[in-house]
Amino acid sequence: AQTVTQSQPEMSVQEAETVTLSCTYDTSESDYYLFWYKQPPSRQMILVIRQEAYKQQNATENRFSVNFQKAAKSFSLKISDSQLGDAAMYFCAYRRGAQKLVFGQGTRLTINP
Amino acid sequence: GAGVSQSPSNKVTEKGKDVELRCDPISGHTALYWYRQSLGQGLEFLIYFQGNSAPDKSGLPSDRFSAERTGGSVSTLTIQRTQQEDSAVYLCASSPQGSSYNSPLHFGNGTRLTVT
Repeated sequence: AQTVTQSQPEMSVQEAETVTLSCTYDTSESDYYLFWYKQPPSRQMILVIRQEAYKQQNATENRFSVNFQKAAKSFSLKISDSQLGDAAMYFCAYRRGAQKLVFGQGTRLTINP
Repeated sequence: GAGVSQSPSNKVTEKGKDVELRCDPISGHTALYWYRQSLGQGLEFLIYFQGNSAPDKSGLPSDRFSAERTGGSVSTLTIQRTQQEDSAVYLCASSPQGSSYNSPLHFGNGTRLTVT
């Protein structure tokens, strides 16, 4: 079974600085998708960024980018120019085909003004 | 447009009672998922619907849990004889094409269930 591991339960960063959240996963498949979701106190899960495993180029979305290392099964999220509104729980997730999203345990990100 | 709607947003019930949680997916979304999130924890998969059928029920924790989906739209998650360990936030998500790797899941705001 696929597993997703986020080894950092909590992280903090100064406003305007850069922070990297770690994620590793375990799979024997070669074709799959990886996602980062953000969950603010409102509880709603918001898609931040996604990466196709067959693409070597790392995905970017404005201030958010990933470092996808397929051989190492690593998928970290970098947030540049951190803003107060970035404070939330961040979840890494894996999906193959129509199967369920498998989530990590989450990292709580705090932004210090 | 309207997002995924869940009701109620909060539910407090006594141990042993049955509860029903409702999810209205985004119109036209064929895939629907239920997840459970315990306090400070990640999301635990419960069940997946494609249309009205449930090809993956592997996450339902016991036979007290059941779910149905009618008309390929609204879904109801039912928990019978609730226990205190059932206390959690129950999240529903839908996506436009269940068979597409790339389809993002759109989540509702969840129902916070508290069993006293």
